[in-house]
Amino acid sequence: QQPVQSPQAVILREGEDAVINCSSSKALYSVHWYRQKHGEAPVFLMILLKGGEQKGHDKISASFNEKKQQSSLYLTASQLSYSGTYFCGTEKSKNTDKLIFGTGTRLQVFP
Amino acid sequence: DADVTQTPRNRITKTGKRIMLECSQTKGHDRMYWYRQDPGLGLRLIYYSFDVKDINKGEISDGYSVSRQAQAKFSLSLESAIPNQTALYFCATSDFTQGHGYTFGSGTRLTVV
Repeated sequence: QQPVQSPQAVILREGEDAVINCSSSKALYSVHWYRQKHGEAPVFLMILLKGGEQKGHDKISASFNEKKQQSSLYLTASQLSYSGTYFCGTEKSKNTDKLIFGTGTRLQVFP
Repeated sequence: DADVTQTPRNRITKTGKRIMLECSQTKGHDRMYWYRQDPGLGLRLIYYSFDVKDINKGEISDGYSVSRQAQAKFSLSLESAIPNQTALYFCATSDFTQGHGYTFGSGTRLTVV
């Protein structure tokens, strides 16, 4: 039931791009993305509600393919501040407000 | 002040002891959650509450209990702590209707020796 994230880890140079994937074996209503820096709490990035919806702010965006039960997070022209562990959280049906999180993808950006 | 406050930040306790982790929030949200985080396992849901009278078990509730004292307060208890409950514990609140996700507290690092 826990969504599967891939890859488990990514190492980038500043300015490079990355894609993090999240797949579920169950039908989904929504997908959330969070970033957690070392020693800190996870911080909400964005929520995707509809199949095919794409959202983004700054150079981080995401898509949600409802039919495939998959979401992808796109990090473009990465910055040092993007380093951290990224988690997807999946919500099975509307108004449950209950998330099941993936095991995380560790992203390291070097100068 | 933080929107979601957890106390204590760190705690070392002995096997068999009862311990309570506390969480309070100023967001005005009805929904509150307790998660534990272990390396490589992500965040796993222990208990959640949709209002003061509505408390539900999550994926891994065995060995834990909770109390929702008020809309703003949600406590997690380990009745008899064991070493495999050593983890980082997070409290969170939510109001997904506003298009926002969870707001997490800063976490409590619990070590059971």
